Amino acid sequence: QVQLVQSGAEVKKPGASVRVSCTASGYTFTDYYVHWVRQAPGQGLEWLGWINPDNGGTSSAPKFRGRVTLTRDTSINTAYLEMRRLRSDDTAVYYCARLEKGVSSTWFDFWGQGTLVTVSS
Amino acid sequence: SSELTQDPAVSVALGQTVRITCQGDSLRRYYASWYQQKPGQAPVLVIYGKTNRPSGIPDRFSASSSGNTASLTITGAQAEDEADYYCNSRDSSGEPAWVFGGGTKLTVL
Repeated sequence: QVQLVQSGAEVKKPGASVRVSCTASGYTFTDYYVHWVRQAPGQGLEWLGWINPDNGGTSSAPKFRGRVTLTRDTSINTAYLEMRRLRSDDTAVYYCARLEKGVSSTWFDFWGQGTLVTVSS
Repeated sequence: SSELTQDPAVSVALGQTVRITCQGDSLRRYYASWYQQKPGQAPVLVIYGKTNRPSGIPDRFSASSSGNTASLTITGAQAEDEADYYCNSRDSSGEPAWVFGGGTKLTVL
């Protein structure tokens, strides 16, 4: 069955960096884009960006450009989100989700379990 | 970038029908997808495309769209449908990006 398994919770100090991983199983990793979405405590969902595992191409939401790097390792079917210069308002649950390749596909059909990143001094 | 607007909260009596709406310019070009999120859990896709349901989603969930407004309808709401619901679509303003609505908290009375 399809699974996206994310790395465990992180606690970071302001100004530090964090890397969250998302390991896919149950499907061909390169057939789906991997998107990243976050949710601050008590807030809604916010889209961060996506990566094409096939060629490593990425795009990020404008507010995160320069602070977020998306990468992947196809040998272990894993996508990574790195966020730098963390601030307290980056405290959130970070999710990965897959999106099927295809012109008409715009939905996220499977999600990871989420990774809580806490930024606190 | 585009925005999607949802009512923050909606309530429905058990067994009745409720409609949750989502408005935004991107919906003129792209269908909305809808996600259900219960406390402490990851979102779950409940509707995608015109009105498709993933395997395992009850047929009481349906969707419609007109102009810049998409709607999720639950016909015969059950207690287990109480959750937050988010709409989502691709951004139509240029480069590939995605946008979520602010979410609607559904209370089943």
